Amino acid sequence: QVQLVQSGAEVKKPGASVKVSCRASGYTFTSYSMHWMRQAPGQGLEWMGIINPSGGSTTYARKFQGRVTMTRDTSTSTIYMELSSLRSEDTAVYYCAREYLPNSADYWGQGTLVTVSS
Amino acid sequence: DIVMTQTPLSLSVTPGQPASISCKSSQSLLHSDGKTYLYWYLQKPGQPPQFLIYEVSDRFSGVPDRFSGSGSGTDFTLKISRVEAEDVGYYYCMQSIQLPITFGHGTRLEIK
Repeated sequence: QVQLVQSGAEVKKPGASVKVSCRASGYTFTSYSMHWMRQAPGQGLEWMGIINPSGGSTTYARKFQGRVTMTRDTSTSTIYMELSSLRSEDTAVYYCAREYLPNSADYWGQGTLVTVSS
Repeated sequence: DIVMTQTPLSLSVTPGQPASISCKSSQSLLHSDGKTYLYWYLQKPGQPPQFLIYEVSDRFSGVPDRFSGSGSGTDFTLKISRVEAEDVGYYYCMQSIQLPITFGHGTRLEIK
């Protein structure tokens, strides 16, 4: 069965960077792109970008361009999302989600809470 | 960016009764390829979102047939024919005809 297992919670100071991982199993890793979304406490869902694990190509939301980097390691079937210059507004649960059809997502990781606090 | 507007913000439903959620987009979600890029998700308490409906009305694998989606262009509806206790949570519509992908603010469903 498809599983997306994300790394554990992080606490970071403003200005720092965070790198969240998402390990995929149960399907052919390079056959499906991966989205990253986030959800601030008590808020809705926000799309951050997408990576194609086959060639590594990425598309980022304009809001995050310059601060986000998505990469992949095909040897471990793992996707990474790094967000830099963190500020308090970046406190959120970050999700990876496998692409289903163009630009939708079927299976989601369990989420990673990133807390930005001085 | 395309704005997705959901109504109501919350609803309280007696088990066995129907429920309906509306989602309106600021631009048409009908693509030139003939598909309409509107999706529905349910986020149960403490869980990640789960996929319910794709391209307006197609249920994802394993989704009970009491869930149905309809609509076209800019106006869409998710209906639950007979609400069950396990249906509680936040329902989100999502568009992906244009990047960035955007979501509605969510509709909270609770059981009376």
